[in-house]
Amino acid sequence: DAKTTQPNSMESNEEEPVHLPCNHSTISGTDYIHWYRQLPSQGPEYVIHGLTSNVNNRMASLAIAEDRKSSTLILHRATLRDAAVYYCILRNRRQFYFGTGTSLTVIP
Amino acid sequence: DTGVSQNPRHKITKRGQNVTFRCDPISEHNRLYWYRQTLGQGPEFLTYFQNEAQLEKSRLLSDRFSAERPKGSFSTLEIQRTEQGDSAMYLCASSPQQGAQNTEAFFGQGTRLTVV
Repeated sequence: DAKTTQPNSMESNEEEPVHLPCNHSTISGTDYIHWYRQLPSQGPEYVIHGLTSNVNNRMASLAIAEDRKSSTLILHRATLRDAAVYYCILRNRRQFYFGTGTSLTVIP
Repeated sequence: DTGVSQNPRHKITKRGQNVTFRCDPISEHNRLYWYRQTLGQGPEFLTYFQNEAQLEKSRLLSDRFSAERPKGSFSTLEIQRTEQGDSAMYLCASSPQQGAQNTEAFFGQGTRLTVV
């Protein structure tokens, strides 16, 4: 199974940028990199995804390394509502491979 | 469409009993996934359906677990002879056929199972 490695926890001050790293050295050529976040007692919520190029949407940006073995989720201005567990996921045609996630704490 | 719906939201059962959970995916989503999540862990893949066909099953899906998706619409996950180790959140997700892994998947709120 393809695996991702993330720090267990990170902290950020409110309204500052946050960079959440992820390593996925066993990624295959057809795996897409997805990021989801999860609040307590909720299902995971989609944040962003990409294959090779950097991606931007209204929630975040995704920076993908040239060799695709790592990626970084960027929240441009952290808010208290961004406090959650963030999962870096490799997705192939049949499965999502979740890691253990990074618990983000946003400090007011 | 209000998203992926899972019922019940909570289930408490005695060890040895059978339980069944239901997942209603977003209309016209061909792909449906079941995951299990224990406290403090990321979701673990259980099984994947494309329409009514069950195309992938995890080793985690023991003989006591069975999933169906008749007619390619809603899906059920049944656990027979429940054990305390089955206590977890069971998550369902769906995504459209077109685009495969290049699409967003939508997760339900989950069913929290407690086996006492």
